[in-house]
Amino acid sequence: QSALTQPASVSGSPGQSITISCTGTSSDVGGYNYVSWYQQHPGKAPKLMIYDVSKRPSGVSNRFSGSKSGNTASLTISGLQAEDEADYYCSSYTSSSTWVFGGGTKLTVL
Amino acid sequence: QVQLVESGGGVVQPGGSLRLSCAASGFTFNNYGMHWVRQAPGKGLEWVAFIRYDGSYIHYADSVKGRFTISRDNSKNTLYLQMNSLRAEDTAVYYCAKGAGYSFDSWGQGTLVTVSS
Repeated sequence: QSALTQPASVSGSPGQSITISCTGTSSDVGGYNYVSWYQQHPGKAPKLMIYDVSKRPSGVSNRFSGSKSGNTASLTISGLQAEDEADYYCSSYTSSSTWVFGGGTKLTVL
Repeated sequence: QVQLVESGGGVVQPGGSLRLSCAASGFTFNNYGMHWVRQAPGKGLEWVAFIRYDGSYIHYADSVKGRFTISRDNSKNTLYLQMNSLRAEDTAVYYCAKGAGYSFDSWGQGTLVTVSS
């Protein structure tokens, strides 16, 4: 199972919006509404930010939103804040009954 | 609140074995599937294995199939990962994660496994 494709890095200024893409295939992202997104600060464990493409867990800011079109899922962060600077990973369930992650995207808040 | 505490990591020679444990608390352990996810130094996340809440259904990543065994003891609220025939490329921080549908909603702090001679 190949990793999902994410941009290596994205950046934005405080208050702006950014979008991170996550591209897979019809056997994972495109085949199921089971895409999730994780935030990871350096030296810390990942934190669930979005599940089932667009649902937010309790306690996660509504500045985080998710969507999907075909084989590509997206995470949008609006009103960027300094604390949003972190690595972000997408994940999808697959037709092989396994899970696959994206390679990760480093978000820099300028 | 949910707490997951991994242990058992360390340095092991290539070809060696190690057993990781993950002690769970703060939720009804026997109601949830559990995962192991690893992260090589400076690299991204890699899903390793899943076990259903009752142990009846198990799946592995191709990279560990036949070498790693996931198991659980619901009477002890503990998840395990038996790792055999370890390779240098298995060097990583290993996280246990609580399954929530098809996502991972709580993570431990991780335990570092280093495979080196």
